[in-house]
Amino acid sequence: DAMVIQNPRYQVTQFGKPVTLSCSQTLNHNVMYWYQQKSSQAPKLLFHYYDKDFNNEADTPDNFQSRRPNTSFCFLDIRSPGLGDAAMYLCATSGTGGASDTQYFGPGTRLTVL
Amino acid sequence: GQNIDQPTEMTATEGAIVQINCTYQTSGFNGLFWYQQHAGEAPTFLSYNVLDGLEEKGRFSSFLSRSKGYSYLLLKELQMKDSASYLCAVRDSNYQLIWGAGTKLIIKP
Repeated sequence: DAMVIQNPRYQVTQFGKPVTLSCSQTLNHNVMYWYQQKSSQAPKLLFHYYDKDFNNEADTPDNFQSRRPNTSFCFLDIRSPGLGDAAMYLCATSGTGGASDTQYFGPGTRLTVL
Repeated sequence: GQNIDQPTEMTATEGAIVQINCTYQTSGFNGLFWYQQHAGEAPTFLSYNVLDGLEEKGRFSSFLSRSKGYSYLLLKELQMKDSASYLCAVRDSNYQLIWGAGTKLIIKP
């Protein structure tokens, strides 16, 4: 089945220790997104790629970076995680980014910062 | 600014019907989405409305009124597995998805 895969599902890191989260997709979608979601809050868009065209949301902290080496894979790097970065990180994909385009989500990575 | 409003929490009884409302103020409108999210899991797509009116999909229906900036999700014949958060999201004129914080639906036997 075509799907969006995220690894790991749970990640524990220490304050200030860099961490990388990964996402892969078999849907052959052009657009990939990284969201941060905290408990009972709306997902917050961090970045999105239209193919290799990188788009950084204006309020995404510099502590967060992303890479998309090819169509299938996308990475989220948190350079120096703080306690406030503990959250669920969701990767999503969509075909074209157009009006009716549906976003399909991976299962998420829950990040704990000690 | 852009804003999506949904009730924080609702409670309903198994077998009953529940309506979850969503109002929005966004820069332009290119469609409204409803997603279901079980606790600790990712959102899954339920419905998309771009024209006024009702879209029906089995036990779930979604309604849109663009002039009122209003949508609702109607869940019929509620089952315990419908206990989840329901997120409303609007695609604005820049094709960005603006998300609501979700409505937590609690189903009681």
